[in-house]
Amino acid sequence: NAGVTQTPKFQVLKTGQSMTLQCAQDMNHEYMSWYRQDPGMGLRLIHYSVGAGITDQGEVPNGYNVSRSTTEDFPLRLLSAAPSQTSVYFCASSYGGLAGGRETQYFGPGTRLLVL
Amino acid sequence: SQQGEEDPQALSIQEGENATMNCSYKTSINNLQWYRQNSGRGLVHLILIRSNEREKHSGRLRVTLDTSKKSSSLLITASRAADTASYFCATDVGTSGSRLTFGEGTQLTVNP
Repeated sequence: NAGVTQTPKFQVLKTGQSMTLQCAQDMNHEYMSWYRQDPGMGLRLIHYSVGAGITDQGEVPNGYNVSRSTTEDFPLRLLSAAPSQTSVYFCASSYGGLAGGRETQYFGPGTRLLVL
Repeated sequence: SQQGEEDPQALSIQEGENATMNCSYKTSINNLQWYRQNSGRGLVHLILIRSNEREKHSGRLRVTLDTSKKSSSLLITASRAADTASYFCATDVGTSGSRLTFGEGTQLTVNP
């Protein structure tokens, strides 16, 4: 299994541009999440999904959109990039639930985004 | 706001020594998880402890949980240079195991 894959690995945007960060998993996980990691801030949850067709907001959702049309894919869209969105973005997936190790999240390698 | 707060922010030890990292949190949890992140890489799950457990072991890792104090500790015994990484605690407060709140992490450096 490839696990959780993310593309691109690195992206430079100008303020106001839009783009989509791709995330895919081949583990048949129901739950998928997007986090951003800023220096000294740990990871913060942007959006998450508990299954195809179901998404919800996390701690810092403003400026981002998500959709979940398939179990495998969970793209994150930046609508109009701002310098404050410069960060490292991680996608994660899990089976979901509260038992049997289903809570363990598997992370992708991350996408480094620089907004000028 | 960060649910988990970790202490210390940075820790430097010699190979063979033990490393202890602490995590405090604010609200009731389903479980608490520890993750490791090597520089420039994604996070890797290390160990999970449930709210009704007090101690758990996995290899050289020992995790404790004190729900009355809302705190947890991660002990790495007989550390190796390869253990150099950032370590994060994450609390799961959701109803379905999908919402993790991470601490700011402890940067561990193990000197050979």
